[in-house]
Amino acid sequence: RKEVEQDPGPFNVPEGATVAFNCTYSNSASQSFFWYRQDCRKEPKLLMSVYSSGNEDGRFTAQLNRASQYISLLIRDSKLSDSATYLCVVRDTGRRALTFGSGTRLQVQP
Amino acid sequence: EAQVTQNPRYLITVTGKKLTVTCSQNMNHEYMSWYRQDPGLGLRQIYYSMNVEVTDKGDVPEGYKVSRKEKRNFPLILESPSPNQTSLYFCASSLFLGDRNSPLHFGNGTRLTVT
Repeated sequence: RKEVEQDPGPFNVPEGATVAFNCTYSNSASQSFFWYRQDCRKEPKLLMSVYSSGNEDGRFTAQLNRASQYISLLIRDSKLSDSATYLCVVRDTGRRALTFGSGTRLQVQP
Repeated sequence: EAQVTQNPRYLITVTGKKLTVTCSQNMNHEYMSWYRQDPGLGLRQIYYSMNVEVTDKGDVPEGYKVSRKEKRNFPLILESPSPNQTSLYFCASSLFLGDRNSPLHFGNGTRLTVT
């Protein structure tokens, strides 16, 4: 089983739609969680950190469910510019590395 | 401008010909890391460094070497490249690892093809 699993998609949604991605992680001791965004053939960039109480940044909302070991990303009012691959990233306690999921591809259509 | 600079962006080489991919950051970051990205496998860590002269293996270190003689530079060395090392490589740095206020900054990637 992969340490961090994501549905690869693609998720094809119309502009203005709300879309949600989930990501599951296998290590219950994981301590830090992030969502990164990667445009085609470009480097990943931090979208947002994920806090235990959930957090929002504009149209983006991240949630953490420790009991079920998953994190989610909700995008409201999708824009064409949101088309990208979204990477779920986890850091485990004591491990000197971040583990990346394979990514979920989002395609927002006009 | 704060950035991570990788060179070259594209490289085509032949099996067995030693090569080095350079990585430099100007943010005084302690942590630096190399990843490779392959379709369906996501980003996998090759090597990382917590500080000068401190390096350690990641998940897929075979066939690679690194060094950290200065804080800003973290070159990736392929002593004898093989076709299975054809991949997209990213260097990344952060002030501290995994801190919510210290995200990873990535270089813009090196696409390596080994024939």
